[in-house]
Amino acid sequence: NAGVTQTPKFQVLKTGQSMTLQCAQDMNHEYMSWYRQDPGMGLRLIHYSVGAGITDQGEVPNGYNVSRSTTEDFPLRLLSAAPSQTSVYFCASSRGTSGGEQFFGPGTRLTVL
Amino acid sequence: AQTVTQSQPEMSVQEAETVTLSCTYDTSESDYYLFWYKQPPSRQMILVIRQEAYKQQNATENRFSVNFQKAAKSFSLKISDSQLGDAAMYFCAYRRYSGGSNYKLTFGKGTLLTVNP
Repeated sequence: NAGVTQTPKFQVLKTGQSMTLQCAQDMNHEYMSWYRQDPGMGLRLIHYSVGAGITDQGEVPNGYNVSRSTTEDFPLRLLSAAPSQTSVYFCASSRGTSGGEQFFGPGTRLTVL
Repeated sequence: AQTVTQSQPEMSVQEAETVTLSCTYDTSESDYYLFWYKQPPSRQMILVIRQEAYKQQNATENRFSVNFQKAAKSFSLKISDSQLGDAAMYFCAYRRYSGGSNYKLTFGKGTLLTVNP
């Protein structure tokens, strides 16, 4: 049971480049989400999904796209990277119950030059 | 919208002593969950303790306990017999109990805990 996995662990992009951060979970969790962590800001929700084919915006969605075609995968796409998107990105998942613990991936450190 | 405030950006404690991290939150709801997460230098987010708002009894997990004051909207974390491995960033988080967006976590900005030998 690998839990929540994220790839890559580190990435450097140039302004304007696009890329996809991968997230997968093998716990059959309905709920998945993406957060970004910036110094002094805590974690802020970017997008989330309550099941395959269903996504919604979080607190800071601008510049990011998501889709959920399977229960296991929830990729995060940066369409045109900007220096303001330099951050650490976390994927999380939980069961579809309100009290379910959220399990976090190890994070991706992204630097946009 | 719910907000979570951690007023102590940094705290330090001597090994084997007790430290309390503060958290306050703002919500108009009566039922919700509160969490403390630990983030060591490895960056992994680790759940330390969870409190259901409808439970009056304070949650405990070994050396970790909370003081949940619902009326005051306060949720502090007490770490007893502090160990070097407790050094980390600690985040307080809020989650709604029900509703369409009840899976979302709202985080505070964190408290960096240093443990001195």
